[in-house]
Amino acid sequence: QSALTQPPSASGSPGQSVTISCTGSSSDVGDYNYVSWYQHHPGKAPKLMIYEVSERPSGVPDRFSGSKSGNTASLTVSGLQAEDEGDYYCSSYAGSNNLIFGGGTKLTVL
Amino acid sequence: EVQLLESGGGLVQPGGSLRLSCAASGFTFSSYAMSWVRQAPGKGLEWVSVISGSGASTKYADSVKGRFTISRDNSKNTVYVQMNSLRVEDTAVYYCAKDHGSPKWKYAFDIWGQGTMVTVSS
Repeated sequence: QSALTQPPSASGSPGQSVTISCTGSSSDVGDYNYVSWYQHHPGKAPKLMIYEVSERPSGVPDRFSGSKSGNTASLTVSGLQAEDEGDYYCSSYAGSNNLIFGGGTKLTVL
Repeated sequence: EVQLLESGGGLVQPGGSLRLSCAASGFTFSSYAMSWVRQAPGKGLEWVSVISGSGASTKYADSVKGRFTISRDNSKNTVYVQMNSLRVEDTAVYYCAKDHGSPKWKYAFDIWGQGTMVTVSS
């Protein structure tokens, strides 16, 4: 299984919206609604931001939203804040209890 | 407080072995699948292995299949990964992580440990 494809970087100014894509295949993102998104700051534990494509765990601001179309999932961060900076990873179930991650996207708040 | 605490990392020579442990607290451990996820220096996250709540079901990434063994002791609220025939490319921070769902897995990790570093080098 190849890693999911994410842009290496994304950026936006405070208050703006930014969308990060995550492209897989018909064997993973396109076939299952088990897409998750994580925020990761170096040296810290990753944090679950979105699961099952568009569900938010309790405590995650509603500025974070997820969606999927075909083989591509997306994470949108609205009303960007400085604290949203970090690395974002998508993951998808790929069948037979396998899971694959994307390569990660570094989000910069300008 | 819900918490995962990994231990057992360190420096090991290629071909060597290491066992990582992850102690859980603050939730009904036996009800949740647990995974190991790693991050090599400068690289992204890579899922390594998963074990069901009962321990009856396990799965491995192709990159570690046949070399790593995941297990759990629900009486000690601890999950392990035994890593044999270690390679330089296994060098990474290893995280244990709890699945968000029970009894149905959600393949999403809502609790992560802080990670333990494994360095494979001669």
